[in-house]
Parts: sequence; C-alpha cells; structure tokens
Amino acid sequence: TQLLEQSPQFLSIQEGENLTVYCNSSSVFSSLQWYRQEPGEGPVLLVTVVTGGEVKKLKRLTFQFGDARKDSSLHITAAQTGDTGLYLCAGARGGSQGNLIFGKGTKLSVKP
Amino acid sequence: DAEITQSPRHKITETGRQVTLACHQTWNHNNMFWYRQDLGHGLRLIHYSYGVQDTNKGEVSDGYSVSRSNTEDLPLTLESAASSQTSVYFCASSPVNLPETQYFGPGTRLLVL
Repeated sequence: TQLLEQSPQFLSIQEGENLTVYCNSSSVFSSLQWYRQEPGEGPVLLVTVVTGGEVKKLKRLTFQFGDARKDSSLHITAAQTGDTGLYLCAGARGGSQGNLIFGKGTKLSVKP
Repeated sequence: DAEITQSPRHKITETGRQVTLACHQTWNHNNMFWYRQDLGHGLRLIHYSYGVQDTNKGEVSDGYSVSRSNTEDLPLTLESAASSQTSVYFCASSPVNLPETQYFGPGTRLLVL
C-alpha cells in the first residue's frame, strides 16, 4: 500500500525557474523527511520537519509540513543545474522508531 | 570522518545461490536498516535493527535475513537468490535519539541471473 504520493513524478525545467514538489498522504506522520538522491548514490537527508505548519529553509529550498501533518511540499527558487536529482519524501509514524515510509520520488532535471 | 560503507558495490549471481551484502558504519549508531530500491516502487524496508542481537522484519523481508553481532555491521543475506531480488540495495543507520535521521550508504547493485 502506497501511503505517500509524490507529484509530479518527473519535472524538467530551465535554470532559473521556480518549482514545487508535493508529498501527500491520508495518514498522519510524526515527522517527515526530504532526501535528494543522485544517480549511483544513496539518498542524502536534506531536512526533517516535525511540527504541523512548520517551514524550514535551506538556501533556495523551502520545506513546509502541512498543518495536519499529512502532507509536505518542497519549493526550489531559481533552480540550478546542480539541483538535478531524485527528490524523496519519507514519513515516520508515531512510535515507529525510524521505520520510514518512502514516496516513489520526483525526478527533477534542470537544464542550462 | 564517520561514514557508512557497503560492499560489494556491484554483484552478479545465479538463481539459487546464497549472497551476503555487507554494511559497515562508523557513526556508532544503534539503528541500522536495509532497503531495496526498484523502479515503480521506491525504497522499501527489508529488515532493521535497533541494537546488537536485535533484528526486525520490514515490509519485504521474505527471502532475506540479517544478524547483528556488533554495533558497526548489519550484513544482509539472500538465502537462495531469485530473479525478483535483482535490485539496488541500500543500508542506512541512525542514532537512537533521532531514528528518522537516516544516513545512507552508496548502495549495492545486485543482478540475479
């Protein structure tokens, strides 16, 4: 059962454009993680959000956790070619002790 | 610097053979996890461990086993490899106080012929 839906699956944009990636679920999560993965490598943790409505910024990346803790978004401002990669969201349910549910990912391609 | 390593990085084996994938971390993390990543499925949890001598089944544990004899290592064994186990396997670790903050290894690409 896929509990975390990511959209879009694929996104191809020009350098300098803005974009938003979504992660949605009908389940409530105690925390939500965003990872970035490059070809041939393991996922790298970008951020963890834990409070409903929380907004975190990491340079040009803005992460938001929904008020009900069922969804999250990642917004990239002025995308660069170095942002190219697979973006994964992962949710932790209360008491799960690290047992994460991963979305299938959004493959982002930023063209020069 | 602390790190998490996996070996081998690439493996080709035949159906029915036993295969063991190694995972070693120097973070001194209590928690360790094994995932497989397949097109159309994303990352799925195979087995996990919260400490020495502790192991737990994940979502897709059939045909796999793990053992935890020390903090640093969690080897994954495919008892009798099947073509359906062709995948990319990732190991991850996390500290006991932040179990969701997982650090991933570089992966092992396994092909079962």
